[in-house]
Amino acid sequence: AQSVSQHNHHVILSEAASLELGCNYSYGGTVNLFWYVQYPGQHLQLLLKYFSGDPLVKGIKGFEAEFIKSKFSFNLRKPSVQWSDTAEYFCAVNNYGQNFVFGPGTRLSVLP
Amino acid sequence: DGGITQSPKYLFRKEGQNVTLSCEQNLNHDAMYWYRQDPGQGLRLIYYSQIVNDFQKGDIAEGYSVSREKKESFPLTVTSAQKNPTAFYLCASSINGLFSNQPQHFGDGTRLSIL
Repeated sequence: AQSVSQHNHHVILSEAASLELGCNYSYGGTVNLFWYVQYPGQHLQLLLKYFSGDPLVKGIKGFEAEFIKSKFSFNLRKPSVQWSDTAEYFCAVNNYGQNFVFGPGTRLSVLP
Repeated sequence: DGGITQSPKYLFRKEGQNVTLSCEQNLNHDAMYWYRQDPGQGLRLIYYSQIVNDFQKGDIAEGYSVSREKKESFPLTVTSAQKNPTAFYLCASSINGLFSNQPQHFGDGTRLSIL
């Protein structure tokens, strides 16, 4: 069965620092990959997704992610974080014909 | 605005009681899902439904039940058999289900606490 791991439970950065959040999944094949964000007190919303084509995908609010098939990874990046990026970030994967599987989440705290 | 409405936002239950969490969507999505979110464990799938009058167990279905009598509604009942029901419950929907690359849309969640 598919499983998703996220490398860091809690990341603390200062404003303007660069961000990279790791995401790895266990089972290959055709995959759709997603990053969701949950701001404090708000519902989960989609940051970006990959299902085919250019492995470097750009999302909202300056986020991007790179799909590396050989490494089963889909890491999320942002060159310069802001205080407003403080949130919990979830990586999710679904294989064709299978349900979405979510990672445990990474809490990002950005210090002003 | 289209979206997913979960109610209530907070729910308290006495031991031994069943409670039902509401989830309604006006996005005309075929598929709907219930997740449980616990700290450090991400989202775990309880039940999902790809079409009306059909639903399937997810990874942690024990102690829960659902129905899907209407496309827009997917209520979740937390029964007294659920041994650790205190959690944050999220409802989601997507245009179609398993054979899709479309993302899920989420409601604001219901926080259930046991008195």
